[in-house]
Amino acid sequence: AQSVAQPEDQVNVAEGNPLTVKCTYSVSGNPYLFWYVQYPNRGLQFLLKYITGDNLVKGSYGFEAEFNKSQTSFHLKKPSALVSDSALYFCAVRDGSDSWGKLQFGAGTQVVVTP
Amino acid sequence: EAQVTQNPRYLITVTGKKLTVTCSQNMNHEYMSWYRQDPGLGLRQIYYSMNVEVTDKGDVPEGYKVSRKEKRNFPLILESPSPNQTSLYFCASSVQGPNQPQHFGDGTRLSIL
Repeated sequence: AQSVAQPEDQVNVAEGNPLTVKCTYSVSGNPYLFWYVQYPNRGLQFLLKYITGDNLVKGSYGFEAEFNKSQTSFHLKKPSALVSDSALYFCAVRDGSDSWGKLQFGAGTQVVVTP
Repeated sequence: EAQVTQNPRYLITVTGKKLTVTCSQNMNHEYMSWYRQDPGLGLRQIYYSMNVEVTDKGDVPEGYKVSRKEKRNFPLILESPSPNQTSLYFCASSVQGPNQPQHFGDGTRLSIL
């Protein structure tokens, strides 16, 4: 079984400051990790993924995430936050050794960026 | 435009009245899935389908049915809805493979009175 923990219900940051959204995971096989963003009244949009290779993954809208195997973490980062980054962010994990493995989501972190 | 389309977007109904939420994708994806989103719980998988006529239960299948007669469509059926099925529902699709991101519809907000 796999699980995802997003320890912060909400992250508040001022525009222009760095943004970090935390995620830790547990999976028995190889971790395939994903970040999604949800804007109000919309579905989830894919931001980035880690499958293998470089631990620093770059994605859409200036976001990046760092995979840390020893700490089983996959934190989402953005060097300079924008007000338009205010949204709900979900981390998700899949067992890479299972072709039809379930995508397990965290509870989500609300990001609020103030002007 | 590549998209996953859900209908209706909003529905208020009463306990016991059968309803169907439709989901259609135009990307020729093999994999489709239904999730429900509840505050503090994230997204939980209801059912998924690996291809036409192949479906399986997710984490919270009780009270729901699905079918996959065509590749593009994956309707969610609530035979006898109850108030605990009041939630925000999402359909998603992807190509086959655990490394593939899923594409989500815009959601259906169901209220069961």
